[in-house]
Amino acid sequence: EAGVAQSPRYKIIEKRQSVAFWCNPISGHATLYWYQQILGQGPKLLIQFQNNGVVDDSQLPKDRFSAERLKGVDSTLKIQPAKLEDSAVYLCASSLGLAASQETQYFGPGTRLLVL
Amino acid sequence: QKEVEQNSGPLSVPEGAIASLNCTYSDRGSQSFFWYRQYSGKSPELIMFIYSNGDKEDGRFTAQLNKASQYVSLLIRDSQPSDSATYLCAVYNAGNNRKLIWGLGTSLAVNP
Repeated sequence: EAGVAQSPRYKIIEKRQSVAFWCNPISGHATLYWYQQILGQGPKLLIQFQNNGVVDDSQLPKDRFSAERLKGVDSTLKIQPAKLEDSAVYLCASSLGLAASQETQYFGPGTRLLVL
Repeated sequence: QKEVEQNSGPLSVPEGAIASLNCTYSDRGSQSFFWYRQYSGKSPELIMFIYSNGDKEDGRFTAQLNKASQYVSLLIRDSQPSDSATYLCAVYNAGNNRKLIWGLGTSLAVNP
């Protein structure tokens, strides 16, 4: 079974530039998550999709971050414009999302973003 | 009060010893509890989950859940240097937008 795919793996940009990340979840997984993980901290949920609808985006800085999940499968996360404090690893995860026992989240390899 | 709390460590144990990792949570309605392992520079990977009070064993790992006291722990028997990683506790409540609440993780170092 293929895992969660993410690209790019690494990205270096200057502040005020834009960047986009892509995620392809495990086939059949209804729920998709984007997390931001700063070094030494646990993952911080940015946005959660159930199929192509947003379940939770309460911690997404909406003035600069946006995300979409086209057709309930792939997803993109965009930052525009980037700030220095956005330097982090951006993790995409997916789960079956049908019941508590099926909420195991499977993570992609992440995208390491460095904003200079 | 943080929703999910873990001791950040580092927790240092000798090879072959039992490592005990603890996690407390604030939402009494939480239903499922997950332990993830994260190696440096890698993504979190699931070790095990538990949703009933008591113990759940999987190989060298045992998860213990006590809902009355609102804590969940992870025991690693016969610790190996390859167990050195950060262990993340995550708590799920279907009524909380079906999302996991994550602790900050405990760093474990197993010394040869």
